[in-house]
Amino acid sequence: AQSVTQPDIHITVSEGASLELRCNYSYGATPYLFWYVQSPGQGLQLLLKYFSGDTLVQGIKGFEAEFKRSQSSFNLRKPSVHWSDAAEYFCPPDKLIFGTGTRLQVFP
Amino acid sequence: GAVVSQHPSRVICKSGTSVKIECRSLDFQATTMFWYRQFPKQSLMLMATSNEGSKATYEQGVEKDKFLINHASLTLSTLTVTSAHPEDSSFYICSADRGYGYTFGSGTRLTVV
Repeated sequence: AQSVTQPDIHITVSEGASLELRCNYSYGATPYLFWYVQSPGQGLQLLLKYFSGDTLVQGIKGFEAEFKRSQSSFNLRKPSVHWSDAAEYFCPPDKLIFGTGTRLQVFP
Repeated sequence: GAVVSQHPSRVICKSGTSVKIECRSLDFQATTMFWYRQFPKQSLMLMATSNEGSKATYEQGVEKDKFLINHASLTLSTLTVTSAHPEDSSFYICSADRGYGYTFGSGTRLTVV
């Protein structure tokens, strides 16, 4: 069965610091992987997606993610976090199933 | 492109009344739309899959008679919360499949008083 784990429920970083949000998956075949962001009280926005091909995926808002089959991971990264990046981030294993997400707080 | 419009963004209703939430795909046709519910500080929970021209598919534990879903056209799906009670207060979000990822509505904050 498809499953995804976001090990970090809550992460706090300083503005300007680098960011990495973890996403580990368990699949039999090559997965379709997504990262979404949800700002407080808002709907979700697709940041980036991986279907196949280049394992380093560039997304919107300066985010990128790298698919590493050997580590069963699809971690989200950003070199310099902005205060507006504070939100909830989801890496669902399937288009329909969302886990608990990772809440990002950014301090000035 | 690929915008999903959800309306209303906020609604307050009295206990026992019904509330309709609309989800429209503005520039693409969506044969399938999805309805989610989100409790405070919780993740999204898929409630049902809305299929144009046919009955919705409800997830286990979701009362289909309470949460009526209608998908009468390729651009509109509606969720009606019937006989709403305070425990139905929540954030409801719809989404539609563009074929390469999902587009979400901006959500509806329902408060039942």
